[in-house]
Amino acid sequence: NAGVTQTPKFRILKIGQSMTLQCTQDMNHNYMYWYRQDPGMGLKLIYYSVGAGITDKGEVPNGYNVSRSTTEDFPLRLELAAPSQTSVYFCASSYASGANVLTFGAGSRLTVL
Amino acid sequence: DAKTTQPPSMDCAEGRAANLPCNHSTISGNEYVYWYRQIHSQGPQYIIHGLKNNETNEMASLIITEDRKSSTLILPHATLRDTAVYYCTEGPGGSRLTFGEGTQLTVNP
Repeated sequence: NAGVTQTPKFRILKIGQSMTLQCTQDMNHNYMYWYRQDPGMGLKLIYYSVGAGITDKGEVPNGYNVSRSTTEDFPLRLELAAPSQTSVYFCASSYASGANVLTFGAGSRLTVL
Repeated sequence: DAKTTQPPSMDCAEGRAANLPCNHSTISGNEYVYWYRQIHSQGPQYIIHGLKNNETNEMASLIITEDRKSSTLILPHATLRDTAVYYCTEGPGGSRLTFGEGTQLTVNP
């Protein structure tokens, strides 16, 4: 049982490049989330999904896209990377019912130069 | 924006109890209180949650006031490995969670 797995762990992008951060979970959780964390700051919710085929915006969705074709996977797409997207990105998942206990991945550190 | 308020930093002596406060000024009756922590840029880790009653698990205790406007996370015997940023948050079951800046707890030898 691996929990929440994120790839890559580190990535450097040039301004204007595109990339996808991968997130997969093996706990059969319905809900999945993407957060970003800037240096010394708290977590900001980018997008979340309550099940396959359903996604919704969080607090800071601009510059990102997501899809949820399966229960297990929730990739985050950056289309035109900007320096403001330099951050650590965390994926998380949880069950749909009851208290919302999130399991987080280890994070993906992205630098845009 | 986060709905909870926490002090930005706290210190605690190793072996002593660490009591971390959180204000929930706008919490609703169906919203749980959650505590997570993040050790040095690792992924945040769930600690404990509660609705109305006080709760205890192997990691910590959670005290929720009767009016539910504040909570306290208690680490009964803090160790150096408990040095981390501690986040309190709230939300109804099955909802998205938002996080504030948290409290940086430093456990000193």
